[in-house]
Amino acid sequence: DAKTTQPPSMDCAEGRAANLPCNHSTISGNEYVYWYRQIHSQGPQYIIHGLKNNETNEMASLIITEDRKSSTLILPHATLRDTAVYYCIPYTGTASKLTFGTGTRLQVTL
Amino acid sequence: GAVVSQHPSWVICKSGTSVKIECRSLDFQATTMFWYRQFPKQSLMLMATSNEGSKATYEQGVEKDKFLINHASLTLSTLTVTSAHPEDSSFYICSARGTGTSLYKMQFFGPGTRLTVL
Repeated sequence: DAKTTQPPSMDCAEGRAANLPCNHSTISGNEYVYWYRQIHSQGPQYIIHGLKNNETNEMASLIITEDRKSSTLILPHATLRDTAVYYCIPYTGTASKLTFGTGTRLQVTL
Repeated sequence: GAVVSQHPSWVICKSGTSVKIECRSLDFQATTMFWYRQFPKQSLMLMATSNEGSKATYEQGVEKDKFLINHASLTLSTLTVTSAHPEDSSFYICSARGTGTSLYKMQFFGPGTRLTVL
């Protein structure tokens, strides 16, 4: 399984964009990049995933570099409710396991 | 859509007793369900993978006789912690992987069950 590197913590002011980076330099060609987040004492919540192209949904945008070795999750207008641990996970979605690393703890402040 | 529920949300039990946790996919069928455990200030650790109608596959270091998993239908998996001890106190989270074009490759998580063993 590919390993990921994420900063352990980040701060963001409410209303600002939160940009969360992830390095996944050993990602396989058939692995998507998935992002989940876990709000304190809750189960992880799916945010977005992508393979090569940039993706956007109602929650966030995902920017994947052309060489697929890194990606950035963008929360365009962070709110206090976005305070959580964010996990970047390479995953084929089929026979492989969703393995959680240590993630980035995002603190959104007033 | 794609909601996973867990019951109970929290449970306190005495040492030596067994506790059953249910995981249900409410609006989709899940051929594969996963059980994770999370200790305070740590990340989620996969315990086992269960496929409907077959035996679960346990991760290295997880005792299959202690953590009994049953996946009897496409919408229900159960985890039974047998002879629970205080060191089993943890946050147990299940997830379900959907079938079909739109849900395939997606894993959805339950809200978790907080187990405290006295």
